[in-house]
Amino acid sequence: SAVISQKPSRDICQRGTSLTIQCQVDSQVTMMFWYRQQPGQSLTLIATANQGSEATYESGFVIDKFPISRPNLTFSTLTVSNMSPEDSSIYLCSVTGTGLPYEQYFGPGTRLTVT
Amino acid sequence: ELKVEQNPLFLSMQEGKNYTIYCNYSTTSDRLYWYRQDPGKSLESLFVLLSNGAVKQEGRLMASLDTKARLSTLHITAAVHDLSATYFCAGTQETSGSRLTFGEGTQLTVNP
Repeated sequence: SAVISQKPSRDICQRGTSLTIQCQVDSQVTMMFWYRQQPGQSLTLIATANQGSEATYESGFVIDKFPISRPNLTFSTLTVSNMSPEDSSIYLCSVTGTGLPYEQYFGPGTRLTVT
Repeated sequence: ELKVEQNPLFLSMQEGKNYTIYCNYSTTSDRLYWYRQDPGKSLESLFVLLSNGAVKQEGRLMASLDTKARLSTLHITAAVHDLSATYFCAGTQETSGSRLTFGEGTQLTVNP
C-alpha cells in the first residue's frame, strides 16, 4: 500500500486568506485526487491532479478557488483561496497507482476551520 | 452519471447481532469500494470488489457485489463495539478515470 502524508494536519484560518495543503506519497503513483468532506457529510471529489498538466475539476469546483499543482508523481498541492466559513471541511488526497491498480488510498486529511 | 446510495444511514445494533448495509448504484460501476472512517480520522480501505459475484471477507465483515442488481452489501457478523464507525461505499467507472463516487455513509454504533 501507499503511504500518504498531508501537511498541515489542521489549521484555523481567517476568512479571505488562502491555505495550501501538501500531499506527499512514498512511491510514484499514477492518479492523485483531492476530495472534500464537509462536516457530517460524505466525500466529494474536487479534482484530479494531473502530472505535468492542468488539473481536471469536477462540476462546482473551479481553478481560481482551488488551484492544484502536481510537479511530479509523488507530490501535489491544493490551495483553498479566498476562504469563507463554508470552506471549513476536511480535505483529503487520494492515490491510485501502477503498483496497486485497483486500490485507492487516502491521506490522513487536513482539517480546515475558517473563522 | 454514477449515483451511489446507501442504507441505512444510521444503524444502532447490539453486540453479537448480525446486520447488513446496502449500497445501490445507478449505472454500471467497474469497481465497488468499501471504506471505514472513525471519528476525526481518514478513510481506511476495507474491500475492493471487481466483478459480479465477488465476495470478500475480513474478520466480522463480508462484502459482496451483484452487478446485475447494481447492489453491494456489507454484512456484519456478531458485531463488537470496535466496529462502531462510519462505513462508506464508493463506485467508479473506467470512463471516469478511477474517480470515486461515494454513498452518503452509514454511521454504525454497536452497543454493549
